[in-house]
Amino acid sequence: EPEVTQTPSHQVTQMGQEVILRCVPISNHLYFYWYRQILGQKVEFLVSFYNNEISEKSEIFDDQFSVERPDGSNFTLKIRSTKLEDSAMYFCASLGTGNQPQHFGDGTRLSIL
Amino acid sequence: KQEVTQIPAALSVPEGENLVLNCSFTDSAIYNLQWFRQDPGKGLTSLLLIQSSQREQTSGRLNASLDKSSGRSTLYIAASQPGDSATYLCAVSSYSGAGSYQLTFGKGTKLSVIP
Repeated sequence: EPEVTQTPSHQVTQMGQEVILRCVPISNHLYFYWYRQILGQKVEFLVSFYNNEISEKSEIFDDQFSVERPDGSNFTLKIRSTKLEDSAMYFCASLGTGNQPQHFGDGTRLSIL
Repeated sequence: KQEVTQIPAALSVPEGENLVLNCSFTDSAIYNLQWFRQDPGKGLTSLLLIQSSQREQTSGRLNASLDKSSGRSTLYIAASQPGDSATYLCAVSSYSGAGSYQLTFGKGTKLSVIP
């Protein structure tokens, strides 16, 4: 069965550094998402991407965050200058059509030191 | 703003017991509702999807119901097994315009099935 893949599985970075989290969504899907889960808390929506542009973003997704789909297969989340509070599990998800389930990757655990 | 609440936060049952997990949401204008399973340190595995027009969905020992007007869903697990031990998340999909069906999650119910 097709799946969403995320790399790396764990990223450790110094505060203030830039990080790029990578995702390969399911190939025929049209909608792409990033969510995050801080340890012990709810999974939170960050951003959705459709038709090569951001379709919705949460208040968490400030100017430090950006997303890109550079080549029609990868979907990336960039954090420009990381803060301690960015430490979390980041999940990528993709969706075929609105009445189908969202499929999630296994996540990237981001640790900011 | 949509809020999703799951009760109980944790549940411990002996193997073989049937159990019900509860989910409530504040805004009934949902597109669909999805139940997920999350194992410690792992990703989210989709279990069941109920469209807003449906009342029930079944998959094996799992049955999910939806009462959209009252903002409630339940996940029923029959004949529980130790392998069912995990955190179960409820998430509602809202359509907020062209190209977004983002999910709002509850905090989950942590289930432990004791052999």
